[in-house]
Amino acid sequence: DADVTQTPRNRITKTGKRIMLECSQTKGHDRMYWYRQDPGLGLRLIYYSFDVKDINKGEISDGYSVSRQAQAKFSLSLESAIPNQTALYFCATSVGGDLGRETQYFGPGTRLLVL
Amino acid sequence: DQQVKQNSPSLSVQEGRISILNCDYTNSMFDYFLWYKKYPAEGPTFLISISSIKDKNEDGRFTVFLNKSAKHLSLHIVPSQPGDSAVYFCAAKETSGSRLTFGEGTQLTVNP
Repeated sequence: DADVTQTPRNRITKTGKRIMLECSQTKGHDRMYWYRQDPGLGLRLIYYSFDVKDINKGEISDGYSVSRQAQAKFSLSLESAIPNQTALYFCATSVGGDLGRETQYFGPGTRLLVL
Repeated sequence: DQQVKQNSPSLSVQEGRISILNCDYTNSMFDYFLWYKKYPAEGPTFLISISSIKDKNEDGRFTVFLNKSAKHLSLHIVPSQPGDSAVYFCAAKETSGSRLTFGEGTQLTVNP
């Protein structure tokens, strides 16, 4: 079984719709992240959470919100989807410590198309 | 402002030869660097890392070199294998911080 799972894997939606992407992990990591990948831009951080009561904005948080329902679950919501949110979305986890030399582990991604 | 740049979108090499993937950064506060590999329809997977206190780290066929004065790192794969064909992302962070900053990625194709 995968350590970091994302649902759905693919989603097509229409402009203005609300959509939620979900991430679950069995790694027992305290830190979780949401990224989006666009061609030619690499991965950009949307939001991150270091524990259940901690939520932080990343570099491109506008138009997105998140919820950390439990240590193992971190959801990303698009309140009113727009076409330029069409992208590949990745969830990642890590464990803090190790003097900041932590490795992030990624889920398989969700491909989102906003029409 | 792209703080981590991979200037080559693609690289093609012959099986058995060396693959060299390059990455430049602008933020002098970055002191920990990672390379990730990504196959289609999968998430990125961690490959190798290096701390700024070192200039080289080796793991099997993979070696990462760090030139702090030039703010440049490179990933060497020797010998290259067709299964190495993937997108490679360079990433950097400050160990005092919490975020990874990724480059744009380089598509490596290893031809049999």
